[in-house]
Formats: sequence, C-alpha cells, structure tokens
Amino acid sequence: QVQLQESGPGLVKPSQTLSLTCTVSGGSISSGIYYWSWIRQPAGKGLEWIGRIYTSGSTNYNPSLRSRVTISVDTSKNQFSLKLSSVTAADTAVYYCARAAKRGDYLYYFDYWGQGTLVTVSS
Amino acid sequence: DIVMTQSPDSLAVSLGERATINCKSSQSVLYRSDNKNYLAWYQQKPGQPPKLLVYWASTRESGVPDRFSGSGSGTDFTLTISSLQAEDVAVYYCQQYYTNPPTFGQGTKLEIK
Repeated sequence: QVQLQESGPGLVKPSQTLSLTCTVSGGSISSGIYYWSWIRQPAGKGLEWIGRIYTSGSTNYNPSLRSRVTISVDTSKNQFSLKLSSVTAADTAVYYCARAAKRGDYLYYFDYWGQGTLVTVSS
Repeated sequence: DIVMTQSPDSLAVSLGERATINCKSSQSVLYRSDNKNYLAWYQQKPGQPPKLLVYWASTRESGVPDRFSGSGSGTDFTLTISSLQAEDVAVYYCQQYYTNPPTFGQGTKLEIK
C-alpha cells in the first residue's frame, strides 16, 4: 500500500520561501509510471494543482504559479519536494502531495494522497 | 485552463434518499482516440485528503460502495449516490485530467436533511 507523507514548517513569513517534502513509502518513486504532484487547498476552498515531477526530474507547473514554484526529486530518499518563493497570505493552505499515473506529458487521476500539511504565511 | 463548475454548491438529502451532484466542464473532456471521458470524482471528509471515488467518469475505484455511480459525457457529468448513508456527508469534487493543468470543480457540500 503506497503512502505519502508531507513534512515541513507550518509557519512561513511573508516574502520568504515555503519548503515542503513528501516522503513516499510502500512503493518506489522511481517506478517510472507515475507523476508526483503537489496540490493545495486554502481553508474552506477548493483544490489547486501546483505542479508535478517525474523520476527523471522533468517537471510541469501550473501557469498560475510557475514563476514561483520549483519541484525537485530525490530518488535515493524516495522523496520529492516543493519550494514556493515570495509567499503571501494568499499562499496559506493545506498542501497535499499526490500520485497520478503518467500519460505522456499529462497525468491521469490522483489515486493516492498524503494527509496534507497546513502552511500558514504570517509574520 | 478547463473550468469545472459544479452544482449545487451545497445539498441536503434525507438518509436513504438519492443525492445528485452535477459537474460541467468549459470544454469537452472526451478524448476521441479512446472514447474516454477524462473526468474523476473525489470525496473529502473534514480533516482528510480527497479520496478517489470514480474515474473515466463512470468507473468506480476499488472498494467504493456501489451506491456511488458516475455518468455523463463530453462536458456534462453527474455523481449519484443512490441511497444516502450518514458516512457520505462530505464535500465532493470533480476533476478533469484531459489536459494540463488538471483542474477541479469548486466542490459540493453534501449534508443530511
């Protein structure tokens, strides 16, 4: 059974960089048939896909966040990470990592999700 | 981006009754080459991540009760719960995976009447 677990600071100051890591267990991040994504959800609101990474390191980001997002992968640790720069209060949200099967440059539905971690942007 | 619009925003249904949630995409998510609708439904309970219920618009994920069913094609989709149970209280989201970026509906909150 694949499990994903987010970790990282729960509080980030405005203008700084949000950094989170997702640790995958029960399966290899290098399996080659999945994309690994970050998705966020502001309190009481809907879901926004941030971006995804493949085991090779290739990435695709939501255009709405592309200028501020970097997703990286560490296959030796079975982890992938998110960095979001120049954060504001609008970036306060629960951040989820999730898995979706690969379809060329696109992905399928998200079949496994982490429990999510709340990141608050505040001074 | 493909905009996903759900209706209603909230819904109250009596136990044992049918619940119907609609989802409309701003462009078709039917991929002609395989005749599949690239549409999924998720259930999210308070404090939990979304859980995949249905994919390909109508295929139930393993372990999902058969009272949940998805239907529709092209731009109009429906999630139906045939007989509402107390544990079905949640927010439901549709999501298109036809193209990047994948996008979600705004959610429909389902409550017991």
